Amino acid sequence: QQPVQSPQAVILREGEDAVINCSSSKALYSVHWYRQKHGEAPVFLMILLKGGEQKGHEKISASFNEKKQQSSLYLTASQLSYSGTYFCGTVLQGAQKLVFGQGTRLTINP
Amino acid sequence: DAGVIQSPRHEVTEMGQEVTLRCKPISGHDYLFWYRQTMMRGLELLIYFNNNVPIDDSGMPEDRFSAKMPNASFSTLKIQPSEPRDSAVYFCASTAGERNQPQHFGDGTRLSIL
Repeated sequence: QQPVQSPQAVILREGEDAVINCSSSKALYSVHWYRQKHGEAPVFLMILLKGGEQKGHEKISASFNEKKQQSSLYLTASQLSYSGTYFCGTVLQGAQKLVFGQGTRLTINP
Repeated sequence: DAGVIQSPRHEVTEMGQEVTLRCKPISGHDYLFWYRQTMMRGLELLIYFNNNVPIDDSGMPEDRFSAKMPNASFSTLKIQPSEPRDSAVYFCASTAGERNQPQHFGDGTRLSIL
């Protein structure tokens, strides 16, 4: 039931764009995105509840394709502060609990 | 407002000892979650409570692990006896509502079993 994230790691230069994908083999109710910096706790970014829904804040946005059971996180014009590990968490249709993917490590270099 | 508070922040103990981790959720939150994070297994849900009642403990690794929530403002995760493979960072998180609300994580307890 664990969602699959890709890629596992990304290295970018400041100002470049990144896309992180999250996919499930089962029908999804919602997708959550969190970012965790080294030595810190995961911090909530956004939740997507409906198929096709897109949410965003400044230069970080996400989409949710309910039919494909996939979500993508978009980071545009990346900043050094975006570095960290990004986790998607999924809640299956008819289920209650949130299950996290293995994470995608994002490194932004100056 | 105070966030989720966990204690201790770090714990180093010898194999076989009892370990107790503590968590105070955000006031008013009715769901509390315990997670374990390791490099190999990632972020795993161990158990979660709703209104102080355990709802799903299927992630608890074995009988050496137990969790309680005696009231709305306090929860414990106990390991007895502890083993080196229990070494990990343990996070507590809380939320108001479950499936469509963000989880707020504590700073975690870094546990090392020697």
